[in-house]
Amino acid sequence: RKEVEQDPGPFNVPEGATVAFNCTYSNSASQSFFWYRQDCRKEPKLLMSVYSSGNEDGRFTAQLNRASQYISLLIRDSKLSDSATYLCVVNMAGGYQKVTFGTGTKLQVIP
Amino acid sequence: NAGVTQTPKFRVLKTGQSMTLLCAQDMNHEYMYWYRQDPGMGLRLIHYSVGEGTTAKGEVPDGYNVSRLKKQNFLLGLESAAPSQTSVYFCASSPAGRSSTDTQYFGPGTRLTVL
Repeated sequence: RKEVEQDPGPFNVPEGATVAFNCTYSNSASQSFFWYRQDCRKEPKLLMSVYSSGNEDGRFTAQLNRASQYISLLIRDSKLSDSATYLCVVNMAGGYQKVTFGTGTKLQVIP
Repeated sequence: NAGVTQTPKFRVLKTGQSMTLLCAQDMNHEYMYWYRQDPGMGLRLIHYSVGEGTTAKGEVPDGYNVSRLKKQNFLLGLESAAPSQTSVYFCASSPAGRSSTDTQYFGPGTRLTVL
């Protein structure tokens, strides 16, 4: 089983739709979680951290379910500019040692 | 404030040639990393550095060497390039790396093709 698994997609959704991605992780000792966004042929950029209590940033909501070992990202009112690949990142320990990137979920928002 | 920069942006090598990729950051970050990204594989850590003069192996270090002579620079070397090293290489830096919530900042990437 991969340490971090994501559905590669693509998810094709119309503008204004709500879309959700999940990411599962295998190591129950994982400590911190992030969503990064990567545009085509660009570098990954932090979208948001994922906190145990869940957190929201505008149209984006991230949640963590430790019992089932997954994190989720919800995007409301999708914009064309949301089209990108969303990477799930899991840090098993404090610091750099075990930061694992998922392979990403591709989102295409269509007009 | 340029953040993290990488040179070159593109490079084509023949098998057996050598090259060095340069990463520079102006954020005074302690930690720096080299990743490669291949289709369907996600980002994989090649080498990393926790400070000037120190380096360590990551997940896929074979065929690569690194050096961090100055805090702001992290060099990745390929001594004898192989087609399997065709990839997109990303450099990243983070403030300290000791906190599990530290964010990594990425450079724009280097697209390397080995023929």
